[in-house]
Amino acid sequence: DSGVTQTPKHLITATGQRVTLRCSPRSGDLSVYWYQQSLDQGLQFLIQYYNGEERAKGNILERFSAQQFPDLHSELNLSSLELGDSALYFCASSGQGAGNSPLHFGNGTRLTVT
Amino acid sequence: GESVGLHLPTLSVQEGDNSIINCAYSNSASDYFIWYKQESGKGPQFIIDIRSNMDKRQGQRVTVLLNKTVKHLSLQIAATQPGDSAVYFCAPGEGFKTIFGAGTRLFVKA
Repeated sequence: DSGVTQTPKHLITATGQRVTLRCSPRSGDLSVYWYQQSLDQGLQFLIQYYNGEERAKGNILERFSAQQFPDLHSELNLSSLELGDSALYFCASSGQGAGNSPLHFGNGTRLTVT
Repeated sequence: GESVGLHLPTLSVQEGDNSIINCAYSNSASDYFIWYKQESGKGPQFIIDIRSNMDKRQGQRVTVLLNKTVKHLSLQIAATQPGDSAVYFCAPGEGFKTIFGAGTRLFVKA
């Protein structure tokens, strides 16, 4: 058990809809990262938050946004969903400063857009 | 930019044998390397890490070897068990700069 909790585990929705994915990091970790994993793209970094502030952005679409709350949990919002957004979405957390420490991943949310 | 190559996309080993998963990286400035294991339906799980000032690190049944001269890493799993069946990722870098390759799928034959 990594200590990172993601909900929901599965999500099925229609094109054009909006969903929110939730992540609770490991106790004490200040950094939260969001990744997308699809069969043809592998693990793609989307965005990082550190102690409530956006720290780094990767291949995140404008239709996607995230935030980290004062209790350090994070939410990833996906809107105007398209079929191609179907994927596994992982949250990871790491220790303070994220220097020379591994990422600890949750078990993901499987999003299916129909 | 950084790229990560894997010598074999799949590896099949007999239960009880030792497994060796290889990984090549391109950025000679990489100074931190992590191996992750991803089982079906789960997130990547940290196995072992190594810093560039080391060439070998051992964990429980696993050993990572780092050869900076040829930019190559390997993960050795001793006495491979069915529970070791998974995709293994070699990941140079740290934080959001962690680079994940395609992974190597390990099959363990009973």
